[in-house]
Amino acid sequence: QLVLTQSPSASASLGASVKLTCTLSSGHSNYAIAWHQHYPNQGPRYLMKVNSDGSHIKGDGTPDRFSGSSSGAERYLTISSLQSEDEADYYCQTWGTGVRVFGGGTKVTVL
Amino acid sequence: QVQLQQSGPGLVKPSQTLSVTCDISGDSVSSTSAAWNWIRQSPSRGLEWLGRTYYRSTWYHDYEVSVKSRIAINPDTFKNQFSLELNSLTPEDTAVYFCARELNGDPIDNWGQGTLVIVSS
Repeated sequence: QLVLTQSPSASASLGASVKLTCTLSSGHSNYAIAWHQHYPNQGPRYLMKVNSDGSHIKGDGTPDRFSGSSSGAERYLTISSLQSEDEADYYCQTWGTGVRVFGGGTKVTVL
Repeated sequence: QVQLQQSGPGLVKPSQTLSVTCDISGDSVSSTSAAWNWIRQSPSRGLEWLGRTYYRSTWYHDYEVSVKSRIAINPDTFKNQFSLELNSLTPEDTAVYFCARELNGDPIDNWGQGTLVIVSS
């Protein structure tokens, strides 16, 4: 079964970096994923697609301080030079034939 | 720049049918490169994909197994929109409902603003 696992929360100081992890279930380590940013009471915003080889393709308007990478079944979103507006929920998403799956989300707090 | 604008009732009674519409601008519901999705979010279930419709010389649909018996996603080519219908509602269907686009087999790249639907008598 295709499942994505995320830590519920992460925090870092203003100006620091934070690295979020999304783990693919067994047997799905070659899947690409997407990262989405979500503020309360708004629609989520697509940030980027991260491939299994670590390459990533950002969406229009995704700031340069956001980057993606991979290692095995793990996909990462790194936010560098953390800004106050980066405080939000971050969801990973993947897809297969006839299914789309979301992780449980990580709430990022800027200290 | 594609924009998705949602509309729909905020309160629906149990056992009734939910209907939410997503108006598309900057793209076409009949595009052979796009797919049009519905996702919902509730505190208990997080983000849950419900299904999608897409046109590839004919219309196709994919539905999440847990709602497959209760859901319909319908395109409207004249109004350039697509809709979600979910019947036999229970309070468990209370959620914020989002429409979203996929393009060229890639992940969701555009989202609607969300519509809160409360199922209550």
